[in-house]
Amino acid sequence: NAGVMQNPRHLVRRRGQEARLRCSPMKGHSHVYWYRQLPEEGLKFMVYLQKENIIDESGMPKERFSAEFPKEGPSILRIQQVVRGDSAAYFCASSPTASSETQYFGPGTRLLVL
Amino acid sequence: GQQVMQIPQYQHVQEGEDFTTYCNSSTTLSNIQWYKQRPGGHPVFLIQLVKSGEVKKQKRLTFQFGEAKKNSSLHITATQTTDVGTYFCAGYSGAGSYQLTFGKGTKLSVIP
Repeated sequence: NAGVMQNPRHLVRRRGQEARLRCSPMKGHSHVYWYRQLPEEGLKFMVYLQKENIIDESGMPKERFSAEFPKEGPSILRIQQVVRGDSAAYFCASSPTASSETQYFGPGTRLLVL
Repeated sequence: GQQVMQIPQYQHVQEGEDFTTYCNSSTTLSNIQWYKQRPGGHPVFLIQLVKSGEVKKQKRLTFQFGEAKKNSSLHITATQTTDVGTYFCAGYSGAGSYQLTFGKGTKLSVIP
């Protein structure tokens, strides 16, 4: 499967636990974007990363959220001490270059915080 | 910041009727993209429009980009049950921009 891969597809956490969401971009893509989608809403930009660099994290909450895209391995979105309001679908997208390129989305991780 | 608005939020049509969703941006866009998301699915890229006044067709789908590059529309002719889903427009605010701003989407239901 040459598409964007995300895992897990579904994640259940209790309040206060940590959530780790993984994203492997399409082959040949070095630009990764994370979006959050609340029910009945559009997607909201969170963060844009290239390998080993965070380029823009202006859409990410200042606390509890972090993202990385290491030299080897998938990009990871980490949410510490989850709260019920973090329940949402988190989508990763990738593109071959930046600058107004088409972004291809993964299947998403549905996070439910109990 | 940039805002992208879509109307209507919901649309119910009889199978065979036409459907149109409209997208308006608060700022001029370098390009606009349309995505379709099925219930429980992920956004799937449909098309990108770049030029002012551009019109593109994909079978029963017609996409338009306004002359001022601030609005766009998606028209589906003779809807089918397979068209069910939410249609999102998303735009980049300027050349070199990488932040896609999404509208809230139009959720289409098709009654057989």
